[in-house]
Amino acid sequence: LAKTTQPISMDSYEGQEVNITCSHNNIATNDYITWYQQFPSQGPRFIIQGYKTKVTNEVASLFIPADRKSSTLSLPRVSLSDTAVYYCLVGPFKAAGNKLTFGGGTRVLVKP
Amino acid sequence: DAGVIQSPRHEVTEMGQEVTLRCKPISGHNSLFWYRQTMMRGLELLIYFNNNVPIDDSGMPEDRFSAKMPNASFSTLKIQPSEPRDSAVYFCASSPQLYTQYFGPGTRLTVL
Repeated sequence: LAKTTQPISMDSYEGQEVNITCSHNNIATNDYITWYQQFPSQGPRFIIQGYKTKVTNEVASLFIPADRKSSTLSLPRVSLSDTAVYYCLVGPFKAAGNKLTFGGGTRVLVKP
Repeated sequence: DAGVIQSPRHEVTEMGQEVTLRCKPISGHNSLFWYRQTMMRGLELLIYFNNNVPIDDSGMPEDRFSAKMPNASFSTLKIQPSEPRDSAVYFCASSPQLYTQYFGPGTRLTVL
């Protein structure tokens, strides 16, 4: 599975946009990029997944450049409740057992 | 729909005792995963099952850990004998053969 690198932590303020960039230089052709969110005392929760260009849902947007060696998770107008750890994962879609490897994640703190 | 159900939510035991953690995956999901999370090591995959069959247990720390999935709706993770270094939050997750996993609320284990 492709190794990922993301910032350890980020601070933001309510109402701002938060962008978290993940590097995955050795991403394979059949790999997808997936982001999970983990609130304190809860299990990780799927946020968004993409293969190329841009994906948007009700929670976030995911921007993937043409070379796919990085991706950026964008959280629009964050609130205090968006304080969480965000994990970037890269791996093949529908892989046998869909094994995920979680890195250290990015700890996002939203301040009032 | 009910999500992944784990029990107990909290477990406090003494060193040397047997601990059994339980998980009920989401109905219809084919894959089940056990993770352990600590501050020092982050989120680690211990073992996963596909269609009730263990596929990869390379993450199981040692022989004191064992996991079973007797049917599609139930799995256990057993630690015997338990040690203080096993203290962690243990998560169970299930997946419908896609790249998205649904995590349970976790079991916080404390071994004294």
